Parts: sequence; structure tokens; C-alpha cells
Amino acid sequence: DAGVIQSPRHEVTEMGQEVTLRCKPISGHNSLFWYRQTMMRGLELLIYFNNNVPIDDSGMPEDRFSAKMPNASFSTLKIQPSEPRDSAVYFCASSTPADTQYFGPGTRLTVL
Amino acid sequence: DQQVKQNSPSLSVQEGRISILNCDYTNSMFDYFLWYKKYPAEGPTFLISISSIKDKNEDGRFTVFLNKSAKHLSLHIVPSQPGDSAVYFCAASGASGGGADGLTFGKGTHLIIQP
Repeated sequence: DAGVIQSPRHEVTEMGQEVTLRCKPISGHNSLFWYRQTMMRGLELLIYFNNNVPIDDSGMPEDRFSAKMPNASFSTLKIQPSEPRDSAVYFCASSTPADTQYFGPGTRLTVL
Repeated sequence: DQQVKQNSPSLSVQEGRISILNCDYTNSMFDYFLWYKKYPAEGPTFLISISSIKDKNEDGRFTVFLNKSAKHLSLHIVPSQPGDSAVYFCAASGASGGGADGLTFGKGTHLIIQP
């Protein structure tokens, strides 16, 4: 069975550019989560969706960050404009309500 | 302020011995606790969990203990094996099962199993 799929796996961009990270959750999972891992702050929740509806976006650091889930099988996390401090590994996870969260392999973002 | 704390960034244990990883939390609303294991360049993978109504959960070589009054949980791995070398994250949720709510993670403990 395919797990959570994230693309790209690595992204290098220059400050000021727009970055879009993509996630395909596990089929049948109706909750989707975006996390960010940095050395300073560890793994932190950015936003999550239930049934394609954003439930809690209090972890989104700034207005430069936005996330969408247009359908049950796809979500994007966009950063515009990107800054060097956005460099991190971004994880997507999916689940059903009573189950644990399954994580994707992550996208390593480097903003120069 | 960190709501979930793992105070040991790293831990070295000899193969065959017991590994004990500790985690403390501050939020009394947390109802469900999980341990995730992470290898380099991979996402975290679920290992074991415990509900706040229990004080122990066992799965093979892995046992999680919860002390609600002390707001403390620990993960015991016995016997430790070389493949257990990884970063272990403690996580907490306000929702049963951990799937319907975002997880709050500790910063992780890097476990190294020495042959």
C-alpha cells in the first residue's frame, strides 16, 4: 500500500521566491496534517484539515504561509515569499479519527 | 514554552540491555500519548501509544509507562537491538487515538545502541 506521498523531496530556492509543497494522503484518511521540523523548535504542527476543511491553523508562522486541501487526495503548503528562516523539513501526515498519524518522508526546503 | 519535553538529547545503550527514554508534559488536557521512531531522511513512524486511562501498555519489546500525577511517561525497550538506533519522539494529543487532533512533540532523543 502506498503511504503518504510528498513532493518534491528536496527543494532549494532563493529568498523571495514562491515555494509549493505537495502532499497526497493515504486513501481513506480524512485528516491531514502539516508539520515542520527545525533544529531550534523541533517538530511543530502548522495546520490540519478534517474532511478537507482547515480546523486549526494557529501554528502557521506568518501570512506568508498558506495551505489548501481542494479534495480528499491532495494538499499544498505554499510559502510566498520564502525567507532563509523557512529552511526546514516539512512533513505531511494523514489519519482517520481513531487511528494514529502516518507521516510522509518529508520535503527538505533550503532557502538561500 | 514547551508542553512536551524530552530532556535527554541522546542516550547510548549497550546491545541487549534495557533502553529507557523519558518524557515530561505540562498540559493537563493531554489525553493520549504516543512514541514515534525516526530514521534519517524518513518520516516519523508510530511505535506505541497509551491512553490516559491506563498506566502501562506493552507491545513486544516495547513498553510505555504513564504516571499522570507526575505528568511523566517513559518508553522501555528490552532487549535493545542495533536496529533500534534512531531518534525517538514523544508526542501528546487531546484526542483519543491521536488521529483527530494535531500532535505536540518533544524535541526527540537520539538512541544509539552500541554493539
